[in-house]
Amino acid sequence: AQKITQTQPGMFVQEKEAVTLDCTYDTSDPSYGLFWYKQPSSGEMIFLIYQGSYDQQNATEGRYSLNFQKARKSANLVISASQLGDSAMYFCAMRELQSNDYKLSFGAGTTVTVRA
Amino acid sequence: SAVISQKPSRDICQRGTSLTIQCQVDSQVTMMFWYRQQPGQSLTLIATANQGSEATYESGFVIDKFPISRPNLTFSTLTVSNMSPEDSSIYLCSVEEGASGADTQYFGPGTRLTVL
Repeated sequence: AQKITQTQPGMFVQEKEAVTLDCTYDTSDPSYGLFWYKQPSSGEMIFLIYQGSYDQQNATEGRYSLNFQKARKSANLVISASQLGDSAMYFCAMRELQSNDYKLSFGAGTTVTVRA
Repeated sequence: SAVISQKPSRDICQRGTSLTIQCQVDSQVTMMFWYRQQPGQSLTLIATANQGSEATYESGFVIDKFPISRPNLTFSTLTVSNMSPEDSSIYLCSVEEGASGADTQYFGPGTRLTVL
């Protein structure tokens, strides 16, 4: 069974607007971490933001925020005030901490294109 | 976070040959990981490389095809052996560091491999 689901293959957003990227996950592990990465066309994977399953508040890092809804098992990424440089592929990932095997499970990714 | 470099950044190879990819980190790390990203796909973990022990391979990946070395805590190599066009991918190494309350994987810039 897929552990991370990203249902939006591609999205367009106008410059300076906000965009929400969906991510749902599946785990029976009570302790887990959720990550978002950005992959520009150059191919590098850039870590954006982390949310722990026991964190009480939604994570924020600059223009990135994570809308964590634990009961729904969703961890959507919100990018505010989009910039042209935000055009990239975005991956949601999860690590199940009790299994202690260090593995990251990645979603299929969402391509974001920012329009001027 | 650690600074990670990979060599080569890209290469075009003939089928049947082998390519060794290097991953260098600017600090000592315990866990290093090798991923493959086939065109248009998400990341798939090939193996986990620990210093002083054999690499741990994921299902579908074998040591004969992807031999890995980890001679010290700052360096690792991945060899793609007897290449075929299906091996055309981006190969990424990553390291794990504690950040934001949980260990986070940071990635190198990737090696873009094309096999003709």
